[in-house]
Amino acid sequence: AQTVTQSQPEMSVQEAETVTLSCTYDTSESDYYLFWYKQPPSRQMILVIRQEAYKQQNATENRFSVNFQKAAKSFSLKISDSQLGDAAMYFCAYRSSSNTGKLIFGQGTTLQVKP
Amino acid sequence: DGGITQSPKYLFRKEGQNVTLSCEQNLNHDAMYWYRQDPGQGLRLIYYSQIVNDFQKGDIAEGYSVSREKKESFPLTVTSAQKNPTAFYLCASSGLASPGSPLHFGNGTRLTVT
Repeated sequence: AQTVTQSQPEMSVQEAETVTLSCTYDTSESDYYLFWYKQPPSRQMILVIRQEAYKQQNATENRFSVNFQKAAKSFSLKISDSQLGDAAMYFCAYRSSSNTGKLIFGQGTTLQVKP
Repeated sequence: DGGITQSPKYLFRKEGQNVTLSCEQNLNHDAMYWYRQDPGQGLRLIYYSQIVNDFQKGDIAEGYSVSREKKESFPLTVTSAQKNPTAFYLCASSGLASPGSPLHFGNGTRLTVT
């Protein structure tokens, strides 16, 4: 069975600095998708970024980028120029291409942004 | 605006009672999902449906039931058989039942059972 692990329950970053959130996953499949979701205090889940496993190029969305290491099964999220509004819980998630229903989430990392 | 509506936002029930959580979407999405969120455990899949009148169990389906009579609606019933029902419940949907499609989430329902 696939699993997703986020080993950092809490992280903090100074405003305008850069922070990296870690995520590892376990799968025997070669074709899948990886996601990072943000959950602010409102508890609304917001898609941050998406990576397709068959694409070697790392995905980027403005200040958010990923470091996708397929062989190492690692999918970290880098937030550049951190803003106060980035404070939230961040979830890494895995979705197999063979089972379109199941999005598997990690335990989450709570990010604190200090002014 | 298109989106997913979950109601109510807060729900309180006595132990032993069944309770139904509502989830409606107007995004014309084929697939819908129910997740449960507990502190420190991330989100766990309860049930999902990729087409009307069909649904599949997720990882923690015991004590829950669902129906999908309409494309727009996917209500979740928390039965008295669920041993620890107090949690935050999130409904989501995605288009085309494609693995690359992101899930769109509702605002959630906080259920408290005493």
